[in-house]
Amino acid sequence: DAKTTQPPSMDCAEGRAANLPCNHSTISGNEYVYWYRQIHSQGPQYIIHGLKNNETNEMASLIITEDRKSSTLILPHATLRDTAVYYCIVSYNNNDMRFGAGTRLTVKP
Amino acid sequence: DGGITQSPKYLFRKEGQNVTLSCEQNLNHDAMYWYRQDPGQGLRLIYYSQIVNDFQKGDIAEGYSVSREKKESFPLTVTSAQKNPTAFYLCASSQGYEKLFFGSGTQLSVL
Repeated sequence: DAKTTQPPSMDCAEGRAANLPCNHSTISGNEYVYWYRQIHSQGPQYIIHGLKNNETNEMASLIITEDRKSSTLILPHATLRDTAVYYCIVSYNNNDMRFGAGTRLTVKP
Repeated sequence: DGGITQSPKYLFRKEGQNVTLSCEQNLNHDAMYWYRQDPGQGLRLIYYSQIVNDFQKGDIAEGYSVSREKKESFPLTVTSAQKNPTAFYLCASSQGYEKLFFGSGTQLSVL
């Protein structure tokens, strides 16, 4: 079973920030938070990961709460090409990756 | 370009037939993985291999078999024991605990 809870779907206006929440209340101290996304009928693509500090890369920002029980993925300026299913995963190694149903983000013009 | 190649893109299986899905990577990654995805659902781990000549069962290994004779190759056989094989199959690789790189997938259907 996935260790995370995500809303099944979200909409976002093109050019606006997309904020995707994830709850992981049972996360262990050595588990990372990973985000991947999957565009229809393709393999998932890595976005970002973090342990307890906020992280930013060229694709997105990851905000992890101080108690590490939840996190938010931020796409600062969403485009139509960001329409995809976004997966939040908690894991301490790649053998334990559990991809749940994710959040289907639709970016609208 | 480095990456993971899955073939074929579409595959059809007849009743009682074994079929093999190919996965090749030129990223020099030690670890490789097979996932199954059913429509509207997440990915489930079938098998993984951390090193050549070694592999481990994932959550749904029944009805599947794998081999890892070469570092760059990790073929998956869907046997006749898998009664509901229709799904999208994804192969991935990683180096250590770094991010997973995925192939473009194989859609398997039953005739």
